[in-house]
Amino acid sequence: SQTIHQWPATLVQPVGSPLSLECTVEGTSNPNLYWYRQAAGRGLQLLFYSVGIGQISSEVPQNLSASRPQDRQFILSSKKLLLSDSGFYLCAWGPAYEQYFGPGTRLTVT
Amino acid sequence: GEDVEQSLFLSVREGDSSVINCTYTDSSSTYLYWYKQEPGAGLQLLTYIFSNMDMKQDQRLTVLLNKKDKHLSLRIADTQTGDSAIYFCAEMRGRRALTFGSGTRLQVQP
Repeated sequence: SQTIHQWPATLVQPVGSPLSLECTVEGTSNPNLYWYRQAAGRGLQLLFYSVGIGQISSEVPQNLSASRPQDRQFILSSKKLLLSDSGFYLCAWGPAYEQYFGPGTRLTVT
Repeated sequence: GEDVEQSLFLSVREGDSSVINCTYTDSSSTYLYWYKQEPGAGLQLLTYIFSNMDMKQDQRLTVLLNKKDKHLSLRIADTQTGDSAIYFCAEMRGRRALTFGSGTRLQVQP
C-alpha cells in the first residue's frame, strides 16, 4: 500500500531564515505530487504540483520554491521566510484523479 | 469570490443524518471530492464523484451532484461523534490540481 510522509511535523522559524520541508511517497512510482498551504480557518491553496522528476508548476507567485530531485520526493523551500508564510503545509500524491494527503507540517514564522 | 463555496458550520445530534452542501462555479469540473479533516491532521479522502454521475453511495455516505445547478452535497447517515470534523468540498479541473472550498465544520452533539 502507498504511504506519504512529511517532516518535520511542526516548525518554528524566525523571519528571514531558510526553509526546507520534505515529502516522500512509498509504494508507488511516478506519482503526481502537490504542495498545498492551509491558512488558519481557511481552505487549501495549491502552491506547486509536479508530474515528474524536475517538472514543477507554480500556481501562486511567492517566495517559495519546490523541487523534485527523485521520483517520490518533493521538497518545498524558501531562502527567506516571511511572517505571511505561517500555515499548515500539506503534501499530496495522486495516481490520476485521486489525491491523498500527508499528515502536514505546521509552520510558525516568528 | 470563492470558486467553491460551503457553509461554515453544521450542528446535528448523534444518530441523525447530516447534509453538507457545496456549490461550484466551473462547469468544466471533471471530478468533485469530499475530504474530512480532523483537528491537527491532514485531509482524508472520503469519496469523489465523476461529473457525469448524479449520485454515489458508499456505506453511510451519499454524494449527490446536480450539474445544472452546480451543487454538490454529502449526506452522512446515522451521524456519530467520530464524524465531528471539518469537511472540504473540492473540484478538479483540467490541470489535475484541486480547488477547495473553505470547509464546513460539523459538530455532532451526543
